[in-house]
Amino acid sequence: EIVMTQSPGTLSVSPGERATLSCRASQSVSSNLAWYQQKPGQAPRLLIYGASTRATGFPARFSGSGSGTEFTLTIDSLQSEDFAVYYCQQYNNWPQTFGGGTKVEIK
Amino acid sequence: EVQLLESGGGLEQPGGSLRLSCAASGFTFSSYGMTWVRQAPGKGPEWVSSISGSGGATYHADSVKGRFTISRDNSKNTLYLQMNSLRVEDTAVYYCAKGRQPIDYWGQGTLVTVSS
Repeated sequence: EIVMTQSPGTLSVSPGERATLSCRASQSVSSNLAWYQQKPGQAPRLLIYGASTRATGFPARFSGSGSGTEFTLTIDSLQSEDFAVYYCQQYNNWPQTFGGGTKVEIK
Repeated sequence: EVQLLESGGGLEQPGGSLRLSCAASGFTFSSYGMTWVRQAPGKGPEWVSSISGSGGATYHADSVKGRFTISRDNSKNTLYLQMNSLRVEDTAVYYCAKGRQPIDYWGQGTLVTVSS
C-alpha cells in the first residue's frame, strides 16, 4: 500500500497570504494525484486532479504541481472561504490512499 | 446537476449487517465507475470499494475484503454497499462518490454506527 504523507498538519495563514501544502508518496504515483477540499460538516470536494488540473468551480489562485513522489498545492492570496482541510489522494495503485490532511486556519 | 443520495445508514450491533444505497442522477450512471469512501469521526477519508461502469470489475480495501460487497443496478441508477460482519471500527460516515480514478463528486454521506 502506498502511504501518503502530508505536511504540515496545520498551517496558520493570514488572509491575502500564500499557503503551500506538501504531499509525499512512499513510491511513485506518476501524476495520478488528486487534492480535495473539505469544510466542516461537508463532503470533500475535488479540487485538483492529474496533479495539476484544476476542477470545475475553483479559481485560478489554486494550483497543483509535482509528479512521482513529491506534490505541492499552492493557494495564492487566501480568501476567507479557503480555510478548510485539504487532503491529497493517490489513484495510481489499488488500494487508493489518502493523506492525513492539512488544516489551513486563519492566523 | 450531479446528485448522489445515500441511504441505509444507522446503528447496528457488532456482527450485524447493513446495506447502503446511493441513488444517482444528473449523469449517465452506467458510463461511470463508482466508489464508496468512509470517514471516521475526526479522521481523514478512507477508500472502501470501487466498481466499474458495467459492474464487471470491483475493488475492495483489505480492511473490508470478505465482509463488504459493492454492486450496482444500472437500470435503477443505484449503487449499493452490502456490509456484513460489522465491527466497531467500521463506524464512519460513508460517502457514495462518482468516478474511480479520480473520484470527482461526493454525496453528502450516511452515518454508520457500530456499537453494542
